[in-house]
Amino acid sequence: EIVLTQSPGTLSLSPGERATLSCRASQSVNNYLAWYQQKPGQAPRLLIFSASWRATAISDRFSGSGFGTDFTLTISRLEPEDFAVYYCQQYGSSPYGFGQGTKLEIK
Amino acid sequence: QVQLVESGGGSITPGGSLRVSCAASGFSFSDHYMSWIRQAPGKGLDWVSYISPTGSDTRYSDSVKGRFTISRDNARNSLYLQMNSLRAEDTAVYYCAKGHHEMDITGRGTTVIVSS
Repeated sequence: EIVLTQSPGTLSLSPGERATLSCRASQSVNNYLAWYQQKPGQAPRLLIFSASWRATAISDRFSGSGFGTDFTLTISRLEPEDFAVYYCQQYGSSPYGFGQGTKLEIK
Repeated sequence: QVQLVESGGGSITPGGSLRVSCAASGFSFSDHYMSWIRQAPGKGLDWVSYISPTGSDTRYSDSVKGRFTISRDNARNSLYLQMNSLRAEDTAVYYCAKGHHEMDITGRGTTVIVSS
């Protein structure tokens, strides 16, 4: 089973700053990696799939990169609505799984 | 618009059974893989299961294999999760999702509480 480890656990930044979130897989998932955003009381929302492709209607402030075992989600200029929990998910090998999440909080 | 609406959650005692459902609309349900994911209170997301468009291919997480069964009725645009031998650790919000790799649409979830 592939394990995803996200870092940091919590990231404290101010609006306008750049956020960099990391996701590391215990073995290669090629580019079969997605990123989701979840706000309190809401369902997760797909941001990025295939490591670097933005989902429909997702702002170009969100970008994904990486291949194999190391992946990054970057939010270029934080807006107030971006403060949430972010999860990575691999679908390179069943059972598919999620990382434990990174909480992005307002500093 | 594309919509997934879960139902059927509730409170159940350990060892009991429950079936949750998901009604899909706004897209061609029968053409798509579908998935269930869950989230325990205060915890992260947990992948549970997926099913192919025809139902011929199903996969489960190790934690639910042998206890949960995913199914679908394409004529009714509906997805189901039959949960047997429920445990306290199955307590969660259960989300229905479109897709089995990236999941591009997720419902609002239905809550299952397993407690004596």
